[in-house]
Amino acid sequence: KNQVEQSPQSLIILEGKNCTLQCNYTVSPFSNLRWYKQDTGRGPVSLTIMTFSENTKSNGRYTATLDADTKQSSLHITASQLSDSASYICVVSDRGSTLGRLYFGRGTQLTVWP
Amino acid sequence: EADIYQTPRYLVIGTGKKITLECSQTMGHDKMYWYQQDPGMELHLIHYSYGVNSTEKGDLSSESTVSRIRTEHFPLTLESARPSHTSQYLCASSESGDRAAFFGQGTRLTVV
Repeated sequence: KNQVEQSPQSLIILEGKNCTLQCNYTVSPFSNLRWYKQDTGRGPVSLTIMTFSENTKSNGRYTATLDADTKQSSLHITASQLSDSASYICVVSDRGSTLGRLYFGRGTQLTVWP
Repeated sequence: EADIYQTPRYLVIGTGKKITLECSQTMGHDKMYWYQQDPGMELHLIHYSYGVNSTEKGDLSSESTVSRIRTEHFPLTLESARPSHTSQYLCASSESGDRAAFFGQGTRLTVV
């Protein structure tokens, strides 16, 4: 069964600190993995997208890594800011259909305290 | 900045009413999607479209219906709203091929 699991479920850190969010998946065949940021009451916004051949991708203070062999990804946030408080969702796409079906994790709820 | 818009943002409506959630995108994307998301839960695909006059049901069974008469417009309709339909509905679009989907801000629907 294709699944995407994220950890931790929630995380609280102090402003300025770094943190790492984890994503494990069992989706096969794999096409790409995306990290989204979703603010409360809003739609998800894409942070990074990585294909099978990419190990790391950065977007400002966000750095995503991908290990396609172990089917694991991480999202590292550097020097956190209050505005980083949001849900971070890992999304994996398969190659099994024209649609490129997306499998969503439940997200990690990050809270940054001043 | 993605150009995909959903209206209304919030809607509280009585049981039995007919409602239409609007979704429009100005990027010319062929693929459009509707997702349903309950608080703290993952998104579930309820409808998708490859292009004009193409609509398909998603993974999660839904009593809603959709139409795609124009590329930029993908409305979702509930003929008779029920409290079980209370949820957040997210519309998304993407280019043909495997590209990141752009999401609208969502419609938070409450049926009382």
